[in-house]
Amino acid sequence: QVQLQQWGAGLLKPSETLSLTCAVYGGSFSDYYWSWIRQPPGKGLEWIGEINHSGSTNYSPSLKSRVTISVDTSKNQFSLKLSSVTAADTAVFYCARVSGSGHNYYMDVWGKGTTVTVSS
Amino acid sequence: SYELTQPPSVSVSPGQTASITCSGDKLGDKYASWYQQKPGQSPVLVIYQDSKRPSGIPERFSGSNSGNTATLTISGTQAMDEADYYCQTWDSSTYVVFGGGTKLTVL
Repeated sequence: QVQLQQWGAGLLKPSETLSLTCAVYGGSFSDYYWSWIRQPPGKGLEWIGEINHSGSTNYSPSLKSRVTISVDTSKNQFSLKLSSVTAADTAVFYCARVSGSGHNYYMDVWGKGTTVTVSS
Repeated sequence: SYELTQPPSVSVSPGQTASITCSGDKLGDKYASWYQQKPGQSPVLVIYQDSKRPSGIPERFSGSNSGNTATLTISGTQAMDEADYYCQTWDSSTYVVFGGGTKLTVL
């Protein structure tokens, strides 16, 4: 059974860089894309981007300029960096496994979420 | 950019059928997925590829997608189904898109 365990700094100041990591336990790491999603307090889900084992990435157009997703296949981990954060980036951040192929895209395994607060 | 629109809230009586809609331009030409999220918990996939249920999801959850609207239907709704529900699709310009979410109240 695949499990995703995520961690990272929970409190940041404006202009700092958010950094989160998600470790994949069980199942195949190389057969899937892996994604990041965020959810501001009281609001809906927003997709941030994805990566596969070879480092191929796709990013949300709205966040692309500030986002970097990387992978460490030796540890079955992938990471998110979001630069120049502001209070608007305060959210719960989730990592998730992407299943399906092509346009049939869905996320079937999710991490427990990490709360990130941006405050001066 | 591609957008998905959901009603903010839907109410249903226990045992009745709840329908939650998700609208988008020619959504029926794409695949739709649905997620259930209870307070303080991570989202859970309940429908993928328009109408398929992952293992462990009760049969009372079903989905359809045609024209501009995808629909999540919960038959015989139970109190445990009270949650937020999000639709999601993939678009070539926006990549992954979520609807704004629908709060399902069972009363």
